[in-house]
Amino acid sequence: GQQLNQSPQSMFIQEGEDVSMNCTSSSIFNTWLWYKQDPGEGPVLLIALYKAGELTSNGRLTAQFGITRKDSFLNISASIPSDVGIYFCAGQLSGNQFYFGTGTSLTVIP
Amino acid sequence: NAGVTQTPKFRILKIGQSMTLQCTQDMNHNYMYWYRQDPGMGLKLIYYSVGAGITDKGEVPNGYNVSRSTTEDFPLRLELAAPSQTSVYFCASSYSARGNTEAFFGQGTRLTVV
Repeated sequence: GQQLNQSPQSMFIQEGEDVSMNCTSSSIFNTWLWYKQDPGEGPVLLIALYKAGELTSNGRLTAQFGITRKDSFLNISASIPSDVGIYFCAGQLSGNQFYFGTGTSLTVIP
Repeated sequence: NAGVTQTPKFRILKIGQSMTLQCTQDMNHNYMYWYRQDPGMGLKLIYYSVGAGITDKGEVPNGYNVSRSTTEDFPLRLELAAPSQTSVYFCASSYSARGNTEAFFGQGTRLTVV
């Protein structure tokens, strides 16, 4: 299967700080998605990116589709306690399958 | 809106037992997926379906079977449960896998095989 490398694996930050995480692949993807998973829940979509170079915001979240189509990053500004969770990137090739990264665990310290 | 509903939420199986994980969606989505999530890992695709009557293998299909007799339902079958199948299973659906893609996930089924 496709390998998506997500970093960092975990982050511990103070409330109010900005957060940045990224995802890289050896393959070119047509779509990049960013999900958040709360404990005991399924992943929930945060941002979807469909074009190389695309920069999209959703509230305090901003994500970009890398120009090479092999990477994407997610930024969270002014973190708050409810940002705690695991963030997953997912990429889609030309077919019907999504490939997921291993996740970034975010802890926000009040 | 119910979205994607999975049952059961939890299950303990003995080695060699069989069971079916149920998944239903009420969004009239064509595409449906089954993933497994192991501790500290991302989601691995088991099987997917692009429409009623059509299924295909994902990355880790061994030990599982699926069927898609209706648009709404996509059950996952474990015939001979093994400890390696202890995992959290997620079902997802999407309207289209090309462009404007958004996959909606169920809440998961936590399966333990002992």
